[in-house]
Amino acid sequence: EVQVVESGGGLLQPGGSLRLSCAASGFSFSSYEMNWVRQAPGKGLEWVSHISSTGNTKYYADSVTGRFIISRDNSKNSLYLQINSLRAEDTAIYYCARESPSVDWYFDLWGRGTLVTVSS
Amino acid sequence: SSEPTQDPALSVALGQTVRITCQGDSLRNYYTSWYQQKPRQAPVLVIYGKNNRPSGIPDRFSGSRSGDTASLTITGAQAEDEADYYCNSRGSSANHRWVFGGGTKLTVL
Repeated sequence: EVQVVESGGGLLQPGGSLRLSCAASGFSFSSYEMNWVRQAPGKGLEWVSHISSTGNTKYYADSVTGRFIISRDNSKNSLYLQINSLRAEDTAIYYCARESPSVDWYFDLWGRGTLVTVSS
Repeated sequence: SSEPTQDPALSVALGQTVRITCQGDSLRNYYTSWYQQKPRQAPVLVIYGKNNRPSGIPDRFSGSRSGDTASLTITGAQAEDEADYYCNSRGSSANHRWVFGGGTKLTVL
């Protein structure tokens, strides 16, 4: 089955760090560019970060630049998001989303997400 | 680039037609994709490209674009179409690689 499954969320204190993981299966992970998208409670979707298929190119939203680090390990079919200096506003469900290689530009596969709660 | 704008909420009578719009500069240059999200579920792609539906999406869903405005039309809305709908497009810079609209909460009456 083609799927991506996120893990690593939890209850963290402000200022802390954590690493989210996204395990891909059923497709050639190394051929796809990947993204993280988050959704704060009761809010809309927010694009967070992008990584190219090789991992050589990375982009971040302004709101997370300098604190978040995206990476991948194609040998393990896995995507990661290192989150540092956690803030209350980082509280959200974090989704792993596969970017279609089509020039139509869209996300063609989403995971169920992992919840990150930042609270003291 | 700024976030595309969507009406926060719309309602439609069962069986009627509703159009959900998304407006933004980035939409002039890139196709818009649309995602349906039901409570406590992940987003699901419903429309991409010029007007394409993934396998399993009913043909009552269609998409269009005119200038800086993209539209998602549901022709003959069903109770199961009640959900949040988000438009999405490529942005205009590296730190705005992707942009999402604020979402439209659709109620089927």
